[in-house]
Amino acid sequence: KQEVTQIPAALSVPEGENLVLNCSFTDSAIYNLQWFRQDPGKGLTSLLLIQSSQREQTSGRLNASLDKSSGRSTLYIAASQPGDSATYLCAVRPYMLTFGGGTRLMVKP
Amino acid sequence: DGGITQSPKYLFRKEGQNVTLSCEQNLNHDAMYWYRQDPGQGLRLIYYSQIVNDFQKGDIAEGYSVSREKKESFPLTVTSAQKNPTAFYLCASSPQRDSNQPQHFGDGTRLSIL
Repeated sequence: KQEVTQIPAALSVPEGENLVLNCSFTDSAIYNLQWFRQDPGKGLTSLLLIQSSQREQTSGRLNASLDKSSGRSTLYIAASQPGDSATYLCAVRPYMLTFGGGTRLMVKP
Repeated sequence: DGGITQSPKYLFRKEGQNVTLSCEQNLNHDAMYWYRQDPGQGLRLIYYSQIVNDFQKGDIAEGYSVSREKKESFPLTVTSAQKNPTAFYLCASSPQRDSNQPQHFGDGTRLSIL
């Protein structure tokens, strides 16, 4: 059974720092991997989707990488801002989406 | 403006009561999903539907029921058999179940026990 783990569970950084969020999964037979953002009490917003044949995807200050063979993905956030404060979830799709527990990010002004 | 609408935003359930959560989408998506999120945890799949009049159990379907009579609507009923229903419930949709397109999510319904 696919298991997805996100480390750290919580992270607090000063504004302007570059940071990396980690996601690991146990079964490398995936179709794609998605990174989502969730604001408190809200639904999920899709940030980046990486197909299994891709190595990375970029959107603005966000860059997500995928290493299927090692079962790892990272989300890199450049020049963090207070507006980036949210919970970030990764999910893999061999069949249905399997989610990690999320990383709660706080960016302090 | 296309999207997914969940209602109500907050819902309270009494002991022995069934409650129904609404999910409507105007994205013309074929597939719809219901997830449960407990505090500090990821999402777990309750039910999903690929087309009208068809739905499948997810990982935690016990104590829940769904219907898909219309393409745009996928209501979830939390029955009295669900002994621990307090959670945040999220509805999502995608063009097709096997699509490589991202799922779109509603803003959720928070269910609590009175």
